Amino acid sequence: QVHLVESGGGVVQPGRSLRLSCAASGFTFSRYAMHWVRQAPGKGLEWVAVISYDGSDKYYADSVKGRFTISRHNSKNTLYLQMSSLRAEDTAVYYCARVAWEYDFHSTFDLWGQGTVVTVSS
Amino acid sequence: DIQMTQSPSTLSASVGDRVTITCRAGQSISSWLAWYQQKPGKAPRLLIYKASSLESGVSSRFSGSGSGTEFTLTISSLQPDDFATYYCQQYNGYPYTFGQGTKLEIK
Repeated sequence: QVHLVESGGGVVQPGRSLRLSCAASGFTFSRYAMHWVRQAPGKGLEWVAVISYDGSDKYYADSVKGRFTISRHNSKNTLYLQMSSLRAEDTAVYYCARVAWEYDFHSTFDLWGQGTVVTVSS
Repeated sequence: DIQMTQSPSTLSASVGDRVTITCRAGQSISSWLAWYQQKPGKAPRLLIYKASSLESGVSSRFSGSGSGTEFTLTISSLQPDDFATYYCQQYNGYPYTFGQGTKLEIK
């Protein structure tokens, strides 16, 4: 069975850092670009970042550019999101998501994790 | 950034109804549009990709149409399991953007 499982969420003070992980199983992780998408409480979906299948290309939403870093470790089948200088407005459920087709950098998301909650509060 | 605008924001309907949700893009996105369904506390689920292609395993009661800047999601004969929030998403280019969502409620 194909699965994505996020971890690393929690309560963190403004200005601090946190690293999220997304463990993939059941498919060849190294063939797929991966994304992070977040959802603030009671709000809609916001795309956060993408990384290509081999890690060579990355894009970020303006709201996180310069503060968040997406990375991956293909031999560990794991995606990461390093978040620094966190703000209250970063409070959200963070989902990792897989693109629908192998090696495709522009694709929709056909597989999502269950999400991990990040709360930024003093 | 490409703005995506959904209408209506809330839709009240009954089991068996046919409903349509509209999504408008701020500029042409060809057919690079997806629709997702999300239930409370759950991750989104892909329904439609490339504007009109049905994702594997999704009921044929769901259909999508449109191209350029105007798109629709139609659900024929609503079932109890269909009451959820629906989002459109453009993947024409980065940053990807979502519509604000349409909450489908039971009348």
